[in-house]
Amino acid sequence: DTEVTQTPKHLVMGMTNKKSLKCEQHMGHRAMYWYKQKAKKPPELMFVYSYEKLSINESVPSRFSPECPNSSLLNLHLHALQPEDSALYLCASSPQRRGADTQYFGPGTRLTVL
Amino acid sequence: GQQVMQIPQYQHVQEGEDFTTYCNSSTTLSNIQWYKQRPGGHPVFLIQLVKSGEVKKQKRLTFQFGEAKKNSSLHITATQTTDVGTYFCAGDFGNEKLTFGTGTRLTIIP
Repeated sequence: DTEVTQTPKHLVMGMTNKKSLKCEQHMGHRAMYWYKQKAKKPPELMFVYSYEKLSINESVPSRFSPECPNSSLLNLHLHALQPEDSALYLCASSPQRRGADTQYFGPGTRLTVL
Repeated sequence: GQQVMQIPQYQHVQEGEDFTTYCNSSTTLSNIQWYKQRPGGHPVFLIQLVKSGEVKKQKRLTFQFGEAKKNSSLHITATQTTDVGTYFCAGDFGNEKLTFGTGTRLTIIP
């Protein structure tokens, strides 16, 4: 299995809602990432988990809360988001043989905050 | 901070013409990777360059890494409609993460 899967594909939420994005990979990769991508912009790193521990938080607001329940799963919990948080949220994984390894991206969740 | 700039931002070419995108960093990179993102899709890994002066080819695509490991290029020969998308370089500054370039959006005129 060489895929990273993400659910849901699309999500519309109000500013008072709580929702979660899910990501799964079964490639035995030990690093997993959350990126945010606005239209016509490059992916912007949010969080890195390495061996199930949070290793990088790119000063992301606390309304985004990541969780790595095991080496195959990565969640992103959302609470009290703002309309400017609307974007494509991409999950990625990498074998993490060394440094910033090749990253395998999931199809993303397109989030709209009303 | 560490940034990776790409030019041009947009490129429109006639089908069959060549295309090149350039990537520049202010500091030396450990390695550089290239990704392609189709419209409505997600980034897909194309290649990684590690050595100074390295050149790699994939069919019509040629990737180069500069001697100083601060710049890179992607050249596509005889573009086809399937080449449409945004091409991102992504630099490794040795800090356990990739820094994506600004991207070059390629459109093909049939």
